[in-house]
Amino acid sequence: DSGVTQTPKHLITATGQRVTLRCSPRSGDLSVYWYQQSLDQGLQFLIHYYNGEERAKGNILERFSAQQFPDLHSELNLSSLELGDSALYFCASSVGDRTPQPQHFGDGTRLSIL
Amino acid sequence: EDQVTQSPEALRLQEGESSSLNCSYTVSGLRGLFWYRQDPGKGPEFLFTLYSAGEEKEKERLKATLTKKESFLHITAPKPEDSATYLCAVRPAYSGAGSYQLTFGKGTKLSVIP
Repeated sequence: DSGVTQTPKHLITATGQRVTLRCSPRSGDLSVYWYQQSLDQGLQFLIHYYNGEERAKGNILERFSAQQFPDLHSELNLSSLELGDSALYFCASSVGDRTPQPQHFGDGTRLSIL
Repeated sequence: EDQVTQSPEALRLQEGESSSLNCSYTVSGLRGLFWYRQDPGKGPEFLFTLYSAGEEKEKERLKATLTKKESFLHITAPKPEDSATYLCAVRPAYSGAGSYQLTFGKGTKLSVIP
């Protein structure tokens, strides 16, 4: 058990809808990262938050947004969903932001768009 | 652009048959190379961090090594429970927003046959 909790585990919805994925980091970790994993692309970095502030953006679509709350949990919001958004979404956490400490991953949310 | 290439894509071994997985990388400086194990339906599980060429880390039947251009994950006398996808990731050394994210390879799927 990595200590990172993601909910829900599975999400099935339709095109055009909006969903929210939730992540609780390990106790003491201030950084939260979001990744998307699809069969052909592998793990792709989306966005990084440190102690409530956005620190880096990767290949994140404008339809996607995220935030980190004062209690350090984070939410990833996906809107105007398309079939191609079907993927596994992982959250990871680490203690800091500037040191190469390992990121610890949750078990992900599997998003299926019908 | 940072790139990570893992080979082979898939590897089948008999129980007890030792082998190595390769991770070749191109990065603007290196501030950490990470190995993860991922089981089906689970998030990546952290195994090792390597920081500089010549460094080695060991854990049970696994040994990770690092050169200036690649890393190897050596598996000695594997068991069926070692079956998983092994992921390699790099974090660049340059400053700025990009330094916080990991760039992952697509992984090597290892199957160990009893």
